[in-house]
Amino acid sequence: AQSVTQLGSHVSVSEGALVLLRCNYSSSVPPYLFWYVQYPNQGLQLLLKYTTGATLVKGINGFEAEFKKSETSFHLTKPSAHMSDAAEYFCAVSEEQAGTALIFGKGTTLSVSS
Amino acid sequence: DTAVSQTPKYLVTQMGNDKSIKCEQNLGHDTMYWYKQDSKKFLKIMFSYNNKELIINETVPNRFSPKSPDKAHLNLHINSLELGDSAVYFCASSQVQNEQFFGPGTRLTVL
Repeated sequence: AQSVTQLGSHVSVSEGALVLLRCNYSSSVPPYLFWYVQYPNQGLQLLLKYTTGATLVKGINGFEAEFKKSETSFHLTKPSAHMSDAAEYFCAVSEEQAGTALIFGKGTTLSVSS
Repeated sequence: DTAVSQTPKYLVTQMGNDKSIKCEQNLGHDTMYWYKQDSKKFLKIMFSYNNKELIINETVPNRFSPKSPDKAHLNLHINSLELGDSAVYFCASSQVQNEQFFGPGTRLTVL
């Protein structure tokens, strides 16, 4: 069965600092990988996804993530944090078959201080 | 133009009542889902439908019954509401590469 582990339930950074949110997955086959962001009292918005091809994936708002099969990781980074990045971030995995469920990690709350 | 919409956004009700949450997507997607987000913000799949056919039915009490009148709509009916049903319920839809688009959520509070 697939599972997702997000290390660190809460990450705090200063504005302008590097953001690194960690995600490891377990899957018997190469999965699809996603990062979603949830702002307070809102739905989930897709930041980026990895399906096939280039392992370094660029997303919206300056975020990127690298799929490392050998490490079963898909960490999310942003070179310079902005106050508006403060939110809940979820890593998710799914099988390739269309219509399969997303399996989510427990989420990481990102706080950004000025 | 809202891609995935849900009504109502907030739902406050008494234990034992029956309530429904509606979801509509205008993306032309074939697959729709219901997820539950608990008080610790953990998200878990409940159901999914593909072209009005149920394809995922996780371990959910049978008080919860999804209904899909057409592929653009997926409603969730809950009978005999319990305190533990309090959560945020998200509808989502997908088409290619399982990229799922989420609605704004319905916050259900059972008193």
